[in-house]
Amino acid sequence: DAKTTQPPSMDCAEGRAANLPCNHSTISGNEYVYWYRQIHSQGPQYIIHGLKNNETNEMASLIITEDRKSSTLILPHATLRDTAVYYCIVRVGGNKLVFGAGTILRVKS
Amino acid sequence: DGGITQSPKYLFRKEGQNVTLSCEQNLNHDAMYWYRQDPGQGLRLIYYSQIVNDFQKGDIAEGYSVSREKKESFPLTVTSAQKNPTAFYLCASSGGQGTSGANVLTFGAGSRLTVL
Repeated sequence: DAKTTQPPSMDCAEGRAANLPCNHSTISGNEYVYWYRQIHSQGPQYIIHGLKNNETNEMASLIITEDRKSSTLILPHATLRDTAVYYCIVRVGGNKLVFGAGTILRVKS
Repeated sequence: DGGITQSPKYLFRKEGQNVTLSCEQNLNHDAMYWYRQDPGQGLRLIYYSQIVNDFQKGDIAEGYSVSREKKESFPLTVTSAQKNPTAFYLCASSGGQGTSGANVLTFGAGSRLTVL
């Protein structure tokens, strides 16, 4: 499985867009990029996934570079409730997802 | 509403005792997973099952056992052989590859085990 690299922590002002980067330079052509988040002491929550094209849903947008070696999760209007650990994962099919340490996002008022 | 139910939410155990964590899902998912999380760490895979009556070891299976007798249920037993069992345990399920080819996991709320 491709390895991902994320910054350990980021801060964002409430109401502003939060842009969380992820590097996955060894990704193969059939590996999906998944994003999950985990609020303290809860189970992780699925946010979004993509293969090649940019994706958007009610929670976030996922921007994948043309060479697929990196991606950015965008929370368009961050709120205090978006404070969480965000995990970027790449995997074929989704079985045995491996979660790294993730990025701690702190949204501040 | 469909989802995954883990119980108990909090559990205390004395050293040398086995304990079983329950995981039940009503999502009609084929695959189920158990992860362990230590403070400040990511999730590590203990066991997973892709169909009933079949399961595979994950990255840290030593000291744990599972069964998958029913599609809805995937209990995890933490045995006395597990040297550091105090952790947050998460159960997840997935329905297999969808039309997009991806496979999204749904997680339970977790069970926090403390060994006294």
